[in-house]
Amino acid sequence: QQQVKQSPQSLIVQKGGISIINCAYENTAFDYFPWYQQFPGKGPALLIAIRPDVSEKKEGRFTISFNKSAKQFSLHIMDSQPGDSATYFCAASFLGNFNKFYFGSGTKLNVKP
Amino acid sequence: DAGITQSPRHKVTETGTPVTLRCHQTENHRYMYWYRQDPGHGLRLIHYSYGVKDTDKGEVSDGYSVSRSKTEDFLLTLESATSSQTSVYFCAISGTGMADTQYFGPGTRLTVL
Repeated sequence: QQQVKQSPQSLIVQKGGISIINCAYENTAFDYFPWYQQFPGKGPALLIAIRPDVSEKKEGRFTISFNKSAKQFSLHIMDSQPGDSATYFCAASFLGNFNKFYFGSGTKLNVKP
Repeated sequence: DAGITQSPRHKVTETGTPVTLRCHQTENHRYMYWYRQDPGHGLRLIHYSYGVKDTDKGEVSDGYSVSRSKTEDFLLTLESATSSQTSVYFCAISGTGMADTQYFGPGTRLTVL
């Protein structure tokens, strides 16, 4: 079964708005939650990651919010820009599992100028 | 792309022919992975390697085999390609530190006619 569920599948946001992408997981053993950004024709690249001992991590305009009790985490992109238009993937992993990641199905973000 | 190359970058082949994709890294990372990316499915793990000659199956391994004879090279083989294997294939690498992330190659677009 899919271990990480991601929504929405696609998202359209106006320039300057806030983009929010949500992920939910089942396995409570997960202890590392990265987000990847992928531009067309490129491989995914790490954007930001969080461990479950904190509830929020911010890097520039990108913030991860983590809710351990709800088994959910989300990516917030503040002041969204057309250059942020890409596909975003959440993932989860846990130690001692050969660093295997379980990916969400992806969200295609389109930021309109 | 973190010292990862994939070859070929594009390939068109016919049903029933064997195909081998190559992943080469210059980072000396222990773990290597092969994923396929299809619309609506995100990134799905095909096979992974945790050392030279040490490999294991992922969630979508049927019809694929892998080999790793050197730390830097990880080969993915489709013994008899089918149209359902038309996809974009990504290689990823990871170290063995705590919460080491995965770094992705540029991908190979494979079309099976």
